[in-house]
Amino acid sequence: GNSVTQMEGPVTLSEEAFLTINCTYTATGYPSLFWYVQYPGEGLQLLLKATKADDKGSNKGFEATYRKETTSFHLEKGSVQVSDSAVYFCALSPGGSYIPTFGRGTSLIVHP
Amino acid sequence: DGGITQSPKYLFRKEGQNVTLSCEQNLNHDAMYWYRQDPGQGLRLIYYSQIVNDFQKGDIAEGYSVSREKKESFPLTVTSAQKNPTAFYLCASSMEKNTEAFFGQGTRLTVV
Repeated sequence: GNSVTQMEGPVTLSEEAFLTINCTYTATGYPSLFWYVQYPGEGLQLLLKATKADDKGSNKGFEATYRKETTSFHLEKGSVQVSDSAVYFCALSPGGSYIPTFGRGTSLIVHP
Repeated sequence: DGGITQSPKYLFRKEGQNVTLSCEQNLNHDAMYWYRQDPGQGLRLIYYSQIVNDFQKGDIAEGYSVSREKKESFPLTVTSAQKNPTAFYLCASSMEKNTEAFFGQGTRLTVV
C-alpha cells in the first residue's frame, strides 16, 4: 500500500536557522507529492507540490525536490522565522486514485 | 471566493447524542473526504466520496455516517456508537485524481 514517513518532532530552531524536515514515501505508480502546513486551530493549507520526478516545488522560501531514486521529498528553508512555527505534513496522491495519504506531521517551533 | 466551509467551528455535545458536522464546497470538486485528527496521530480517514450518492468507508468509519446527496455537501454524523468522539474533524475536497486536497477550517467536537 501507500505510505508516508516523516521525521518526528518537535523540531526546535532559532530564528534564521536552516530547516530540513525529512519525508520518504512508498507508493505504486507515479504519485504527486505535497507539503501542507497547519497553524494552530486551523485546517491544512497547501505549501508546495511536485508532480513528477526531479520537479522542485517552492513557496514562501520553502523548497522540496521530488527524488524518485530515494523516494524522498524533504522540505527545506534557508532561514526560518517565528511565523513559520506550525505543523508540517508530507503527503502523496497516488497515480490513478483520489485518496491522498498523509504523514503524521512534524511540529516546528521557532524561537526568536 | 471558492473554498470549503465547515460549521460550526466548535461543538459541544452530551455523551450519547448524535451530532452532525457540516461541510460545503463551492469548488466544483468531485471528491470529498472526512478526516479525524487527534494530538500526535496525524490525519485518519473516516469516509470519502468520489461522486454524488456514493461514498466509501475509510480507516476508522465505525461510529460515523455520511451522505452525499449534492456535489457541494458532505455532512458527517458522529453517532452515539463512536466510543471516543472528542477530536478535531477536517473536511477536504479534490478535483481530480493525483491532485492536491483543499481543506476546511475544521470543527472541534467536545463530548462531555
